[in-house]
Amino acid sequence: AQTVTQSQPEMSVQEAETVTLSCTYDTSESDYYLFWYKQPPSRQMILVIRQEAYKQQNATENRFSVNFQKAAKSFSLKISDSQLGDAAMYFCAYINNNAGNMLTFGGGTRLMVKP
Amino acid sequence: KAGVTQTPRYLIKTRGQQVTLSCSPISGHRSVSWYQQTPGQGLQFLFEYFSETQRNKGNFPGRFSGRQFSNSRSEMNVSTLELGDSALYLCASSLSGINTEAFFGQGTRLTVV
Repeated sequence: AQTVTQSQPEMSVQEAETVTLSCTYDTSESDYYLFWYKQPPSRQMILVIRQEAYKQQNATENRFSVNFQKAAKSFSLKISDSQLGDAAMYFCAYINNNAGNMLTFGGGTRLMVKP
Repeated sequence: KAGVTQTPRYLIKTRGQQVTLSCSPISGHRSVSWYQQTPGQGLQFLFEYFSETQRNKGNFPGRFSGRQFSNSRSEMNVSTLELGDSALYLCASSLSGINTEAFFGQGTRLTVV
């Protein structure tokens, strides 16, 4: 069975600084996707960034980028120029091609942004 | 374009009762997935429906069931409610396959007393 682990329950960052959230996963599949979702206090999960396992290039979306290390099964999220609106729960998630739309989530990291 | 709509937003039920939650996906989306979110267990997959058929099922007891209608709207039902069923229930819709983004609703907060 697939597992996703986020070892940092809480992180804090100063506004305008950079922060990295960690995620490791375990799978025997070779074809899969990884995601970072943001859940603000409104509770609605929002997709931040996604990475296809077959792509070696790390995904980037504006201030958000990932460091995908397939051999190490590591998938960290870097947030640059942190903003107050980035404060939220962040979830790392995994899905494989044989499992339809079944996402496996990590336990989440609460990110606090200090002004 | 309207997002994923979950109703009701909040619900309080008594142990032993049953409850039905509703999810209207984004227009054109054929896949609807349900997740349970609790402080202790985190986010756990319940089931996925695609074109009115259950395509995947998580590790939940049979008290948890769902269905999908021809217009892709989905309902989940929990019978014989237990205190431990108190949770945020999230619905996500996708176009079809896994290489399309899952859009989440705001969830239904169920409290069992």
